[in-house]
Amino acid sequence: KAGVTQTPRYLIKTRGQQVTLSCSPISGHRSVSWYQQTPGQGLQFLFEYFSETQRNKGNFPGRFSGRQFSNSRSEMNVSTLELGDSALYLCASSLAVTGFGELFFGEGSRLTVL
Amino acid sequence: GDSVTQMEGPVTLSEEAFLTINCTYTATGYPSLFWYVQYPGEGLQLLLKATKADDKGSNKGFEATYRKETTSFHLEKGSVQVSDSAVYFCALRNTGTASKLTFGTGTRLQVTL
Repeated sequence: KAGVTQTPRYLIKTRGQQVTLSCSPISGHRSVSWYQQTPGQGLQFLFEYFSETQRNKGNFPGRFSGRQFSNSRSEMNVSTLELGDSALYLCASSLAVTGFGELFFGEGSRLTVL
Repeated sequence: GDSVTQMEGPVTLSEEAFLTINCTYTATGYPSLFWYVQYPGEGLQLLLKATKADDKGSNKGFEATYRKETTSFHLEKGSVQVSDSAVYFCALRNTGTASKLTFGTGTRLQVTL
């Protein structure tokens, strides 16, 4: 079956712009979570959505937001981009209704902010 | 808060050598522990996991034992292959945090012939 699909794979933006990243989870998975990966900070949890509701949130400023649609697809948005937002953004989906199920990661969207 | 500390890389080994990547953690409660692997240009893949003290996770020749007394979850493999070259991440998930994983900084492994 198809894995987690993230689009776009690569993008370049300038400071002050905003960006929207998309994630299509594995069919049947209702939980989608987002992580930011940078050389300096490593992998950090952004937020998790389940059935269109944000279930958990990491320590990121309000410029980072997300949402989930009724088909479980998710988007994350970063407004007023800063140089430090350059990162690989990873999406993961899970089958679990409660608690924790194995996370399946996409290949990521690599954002470069100039 | 929760944290995971991994040994610094890169780790360079010859094929068939023994591998150990150290991982220690700090967490309240009873976390579950994981090792993920990231091959070049790919996302993360779950390598193995352990959900309670003294559990041993194993997969593809890799093993790790959940040691609560030393708060450790070291990754080992008896004989590495060139195809094992990747970045390895230790992670924990604490009780009640759904899909929130806390990751270590990752350890790059390079295996040469």
